[in-house]
Amino acid sequence: DTAVSQTPKYLVTQMGNDKSIKCEQNLGHDTMYWYKQDSKKFLKIMFSYNNKELIINETVPNRFSPKSPDKAHLNLHINSLELGDSAVYFCASSLPSPTTMDQETQYFGPGTRLLVL
Amino acid sequence: AQSVAQPEDQVNVAEGNPLTVKCTYSVSGNPYLFWYVQYPNRGLQFLLKYITGDNLVKGSYGFEAEFNKSQTSFHLKKPSALVSDSALYFCAVRDSGNAGNMLTFGGGTRLMVKP
Repeated sequence: DTAVSQTPKYLVTQMGNDKSIKCEQNLGHDTMYWYKQDSKKFLKIMFSYNNKELIINETVPNRFSPKSPDKAHLNLHINSLELGDSAVYFCASSLPSPTTMDQETQYFGPGTRLLVL
Repeated sequence: AQSVAQPEDQVNVAEGNPLTVKCTYSVSGNPYLFWYVQYPNRGLQFLLKYITGDNLVKGSYGFEAEFNKSQTSFHLKKPSALVSDSALYFCAVRDSGNAGNMLTFGGGTRLMVKP
């Protein structure tokens, strides 16, 4: 009954490879997000997406791309992986604003630990 | 632009004592403010939020936070700390005018509660 789930939990890969991380939410939310947490635990938004628009943090390299097959899923594709991409990636979801009293609250997945060698 | 600062990397408190984790923010519009907690090797868990209304917000696990507009602060508090409260705490802000509901997080404060 996990609300926001991510796969895989751990991902170890070589530089230059292309990889994907999957995210699914069963909360009925319309908006999903990807965050990156670096080795110093600093959290940074990468993308915000609902069925109407994708908003990209301007600092995110275009090697990163979100793909949403349906409202419950937002996968993260990373091309030509670099050493600096090593981090923990968190998916989150929320209701669109404004809707209900639970608007704005983002619910996070458990994270995917990516290590690029 | 929106930003948030957590001035303390770590807060140490004895079990049973009150705790405060500080957060200050900067937005051009109205702030939506949040506290999240992260336990080791886990995702972030929502604790509480301020959107509008009463400045004192009560959340999960006995935590509360007070929104202070004049000081642009949203400090997290608990009257009596537990060892199990030891974790990494993040303050986050969103400017009400910001599209996409994108949160900006502070750098995190590690709370250590000693028995």
